[in-house]
Amino acid sequence: AQSVTQLGSHVSVSEGALVLLRCNYSSSVPPYLFWYVQYPNQGLQLLLKYTSAATLVKGINGFEAEFKKSETSFHLTKPSAHMSDAAEYFCAVSWSGGYQKVTFGTGTKLQVIP
Amino acid sequence: EPEVTQTPSHQVTQMGQEVILRCVPISNHLYFYWYRQILGQKVEFLVSFYNNEISEKSEIFDDQFSVERPDGSNFTLKIRSTKLEDSAMYFCASRMGLAGGVSSYEQYFGPGTRLTVT
Repeated sequence: AQSVTQLGSHVSVSEGALVLLRCNYSSSVPPYLFWYVQYPNQGLQLLLKYTSAATLVKGINGFEAEFKKSETSFHLTKPSAHMSDAAEYFCAVSWSGGYQKVTFGTGTKLQVIP
Repeated sequence: EPEVTQTPSHQVTQMGQEVILRCVPISNHLYFYWYRQILGQKVEFLVSFYNNEISEKSEIFDDQFSVERPDGSNFTLKIRSTKLEDSAMYFCASRMGLAGGVSSYEQYFGPGTRLTVT
């Protein structure tokens, strides 16, 4: 079974500061990992994905994540936070077998302070 | 860019009533999914659908739920007799399949239908 754990349900950063949202995964098979963003009252937008190619993955809006197998981590980072980054971020895992349902973490709400 | 669409965006219903949530997946996709998100909680998998049948379902997806792909474009979720605890945002998603290469692992989500059961 696959699962993800997101550390910190709420994270606050100052505008211009580094954003770091933590995600650890558990999977008995090589995982596919995703980060989704959800703005208030909106759907889920894919930020980036890891599917066994490059371990450093670049996504939209300046976000990137690094897959570290030894640490079973897939943390999301952005060098400089913008006010528009305030949203909820979900780490998610899937895998190559089966019908590839996506298992989501509990989410991290990012607050950006001016 | 192709996208998954869902209707209605908000549905209010009374407890015990039947509701049908509608989704139009991306046209060349082969795998279809429903997820739900109770307010303030994480997104949970309900069911996956492939080749006109349910391929996997969660323990949430009991006999009150059913899915159907009545034609070549729509994918529906029916809740037979709604309960208060069915109030949630319901997301439809679709995926291309193996022919799509690495991009096939990506699920495209619709904007969701907010279901409120009173």
